[in-house]
Amino acid sequence: SQTIHQWPATLVQPVGSPLSLECTVEGTSNPNLYWYRQAAGRGLQLLFYSVGIGQISSEVPQNLSASRPQDRQFILSSKKLLLSDSGFYLCAWSKGHGGELFFGEGSRLTVL
Amino acid sequence: AQTVTQSQPEMSVQEAETVTLSCTYDTSESDYYLFWYKQPPSRQMILVIRQEAYKQQNATENRFSVNFQKAAKSFSLKISDSQLGDAAMYFCAYEGASGTYKYIFGTGTRLKVLA
Repeated sequence: SQTIHQWPATLVQPVGSPLSLECTVEGTSNPNLYWYRQAAGRGLQLLFYSVGIGQISSEVPQNLSASRPQDRQFILSSKKLLLSDSGFYLCAWSKGHGGELFFGEGSRLTVL
Repeated sequence: AQTVTQSQPEMSVQEAETVTLSCTYDTSESDYYLFWYKQPPSRQMILVIRQEAYKQQNATENRFSVNFQKAAKSFSLKISDSQLGDAAMYFCAYEGASGTYKYIFGTGTRLKVLA
């Protein structure tokens, strides 16, 4: 069966520090991968998605970046965090069009 | 660009009663998929129900059903016989059947179930 894991679950970082959130999928190959951010009143905001290794589409211009170094690994990064980067980050995967989007457990980021 | 709108930030329903959550979307595509996801307090997102736009018949999953009005671009979720465990955030989502693989979500509706 397929599983998705993301870590860390909770992160408290000072403004200006770097960020790395990791997500891995097991039990499937060539998944579509996604990073969403959930903020109060804004629902799930799509940040990045990837349909293959090295292929990243950015939806929101900001100081975050994403990489897909391996087929089932998706990484969300920042060189310098801003206060506005605080939020709940969700990694997800799917297969093809119309497939169910499977979510990880989420990562709570607090930038102080 | 496609958009998804949920105009009800919060709804309440009495246990065992029926509640309907609203969702509208905007798209120029003729074929697409619509979803309702549930996010309980644990924050784990769970698929509730899925609708294929080319299918006229409304999707149902046990106590959950949708009213899909393609011309009106409306996709509401009806929860029958509400249970305490239904209390959660509910998100409506859209994905086009061609082109990009983006899933676009609404802002969510918080459902409270009153005992």
